Amino acid sequence: EPEVTQTPSHQVTQMGQEVILRCVPISNHLYFYWYRQILGQKVEFLVSFYNNEISEKSEIFDDQFSVERPDGSNFTLKIRSTKLEDSAMYFCASSVHPRNTIYFGEGSWLTVV
Amino acid sequence: GQQLNQSPQSMFIQEGEDVSMNCTSSSIFNTWLWYKQDPGEGPVLLIALYKAGELTSNGRLTAQFGITRKDSFLNISASIPSDVGIYFCAGSTGNQFYFGTGTSLTVIP
Repeated sequence: EPEVTQTPSHQVTQMGQEVILRCVPISNHLYFYWYRQILGQKVEFLVSFYNNEISEKSEIFDDQFSVERPDGSNFTLKIRSTKLEDSAMYFCASSVHPRNTIYFGEGSWLTVV
Repeated sequence: GQQLNQSPQSMFIQEGEDVSMNCTSSSIFNTWLWYKQDPGEGPVLLIALYKAGELTSNGRLTAQFGITRKDSFLNISASIPSDVGIYFCAGSTGNQFYFGTGTSLTVIP
């Protein structure tokens, strides 16, 4: 069964460093998302991406965050200058259509120290 | 963002019992999804609902899209130990999904 894959599974970074989280969405999906989940809390929407541009973003997704689809398969989330409060599990997801089911990757656990 | 109220927050039940949980919103949603999340892993889709009133089953799981389009219910029948985890509802207005706060389920053998 096709799945969303994410790398790395776990990353520890120093405060102020840049981080890039990578995702390979399901191949025939057109809509891509990043969500995050702070330990013990609910899943929070960060950004959705369609047709090579951001279609919607939350207030969490400030100027420190950016997304890119550098080629036909990868979808990346960059955090420019990490803060302690960026420590969370980051989930990539994809769907055929925004009303359709979204499928999540296994997550990238980011720890900022 | 949208607020989805999910209840109960946690449940402790005996193996074999049935479980019910629900999600309510102040907004109308077009799609409701139910996910299960195990510790350290991504949410795994259980059931997707696309029409008001829709009742869908997946094995021992049954979910319904509320007729007002502002709520959804998930039932698990005859619970087993591997049902343990956190269950999340998610609702979509069309552009993104908003997640509920989760129901933590513990099944006592």
